[in-house]
Amino acid sequence: GAGVSQSPRYKVAKRGQDVALRCDPISGHVSLFWYQQALGQGPEFLTYFQNEAQLDKSGLPSDRFFAERPEGSVSTLKIQRTQQEDSAVYLCASGFNRGRYTEAFFGQGTRLTVV
Amino acid sequence: AQTVTQSQPEMSVQEAETVTLSCTYDTSESDYYLFWYKQPPSRQMILVIRQEAYKQQNATENRFSVNFQKAAKSFSLKISDSQLGDAAMYFCAYRNRNRDDKIIFGKGTRLHILP
Repeated sequence: GAGVSQSPRYKVAKRGQDVALRCDPISGHVSLFWYQQALGQGPEFLTYFQNEAQLDKSGLPSDRFFAERPEGSVSTLKIQRTQQEDSAVYLCASGFNRGRYTEAFFGQGTRLTVV
Repeated sequence: AQTVTQSQPEMSVQEAETVTLSCTYDTSESDYYLFWYKQPPSRQMILVIRQEAYKQQNATENRFSVNFQKAAKSFSLKISDSQLGDAAMYFCAYRNRNRDDKIIFGKGTRLHILP
């Protein structure tokens, strides 16, 4: 596709339900980032992949959050036993190496509402 | 740890006028990147302008320019000839030189364009 695609665009989950959010990066992009954006806030880093390797997961808020990118392309962010504080927009970005700099392209995000 | 601060939650400007959005940051690194991103209601984060810390010259992209003051750790965005389509959330962001490092965002400034 032409850009980073995320699905679903909106998700409503009952508290305690498990959810899976999908990110299709731009073809050929090596880097992939997940961010969480609470209402009225800036995005906050969750985790980073280079190909299939998860190199940084320091931003994952709890062990209920899990991300994978098994074949180095599509990535899934899974949240187990969702809680109300998980309500946010989840943004995915993919990037390619432009010399000393990785250009990052963002998707439109998934808005998760936990009720 | 690096931080990014945007002290103006909202700003308004008359169409065709000029507006400046403020940003300060804190880092102990000497080589890094600074960005301004635009986030319209579609939620997609769009790169407006990028500044490399080792470059003294301020970056410019058409109607958008920055005032980068490295010693003061200040990075403001000037929008000239404001247009209705400029209305959005604007995020100041920081990234270490390591090309795979995460982007750190400020809390954003909502810009309103008055017709």
